[in-house]
Amino acid sequence: NAGVTQTPKFQVLKTGQSMTLQCAQDMNHNSMYWYRQDPGMGLRLIYYSASEGTTDKGEVPNGYNVSRLNKREFSLRLESAAPSQTSVYFCASSMTGGIGYTFGSGTRLTVV
Amino acid sequence: GIQVEQSPPDLILQEGANSTLRCNFSDSVNNLQWFHQNPWGQLINLFYIPSGTKQNGRLSATTVATERYSLLYISSSQTTDSGVYFCAVAYSSASKIIFGSGTRLSIRP
Repeated sequence: NAGVTQTPKFQVLKTGQSMTLQCAQDMNHNSMYWYRQDPGMGLRLIYYSASEGTTDKGEVPNGYNVSRLNKREFSLRLESAAPSQTSVYFCASSMTGGIGYTFGSGTRLTVV
Repeated sequence: GIQVEQSPPDLILQEGANSTLRCNFSDSVNNLQWFHQNPWGQLINLFYIPSGTKQNGRLSATTVATERYSLLYISSSQTTDSGVYFCAVAYSSASKIIFGSGTRLSIRP
């Protein structure tokens, strides 16, 4: 099925561990995004990639790195996880200008 | 940066009622979108509406860009309309999309 696929769906990390969240889209979208959503809150933009080969910081980039591996894939890396990074992480993609904005199903991350 | 404010923060209605959700933004935007997050966390794009009015079934949206606000109308509410409604705007870069804090809508049967 066409859409945005995130892996894993659930993850528990210990403080200080590292991990990479994977995101892939098969809609030939140019732009991809990573958001975090804390309980009862809206979505905050971590990083985005307007097009293949470019990445830019969003509202809350500290503690994260991203890689736009190719047009389809955009990964989010936590180098040294902290309890404050416990959240639900959403990946999204769109055509240039935000048209056709589509979200993945999310990754629930807990850092203990 | 731009401020995106949604009102009301919470809304409880009986099935069949109509509702209006509002999104105000503090600066010029390149585009504006409305999303619905259902109780299971799934986010669905409702409207891409940088200006003007659009309708899709019982839902419609209007954006008045010159006055920096957008409205989402839900008519004849159903329990499946429950969830959180977010507006999101793109500014400076058409790809830098920022979300408001949402309106939590609960429809009682």
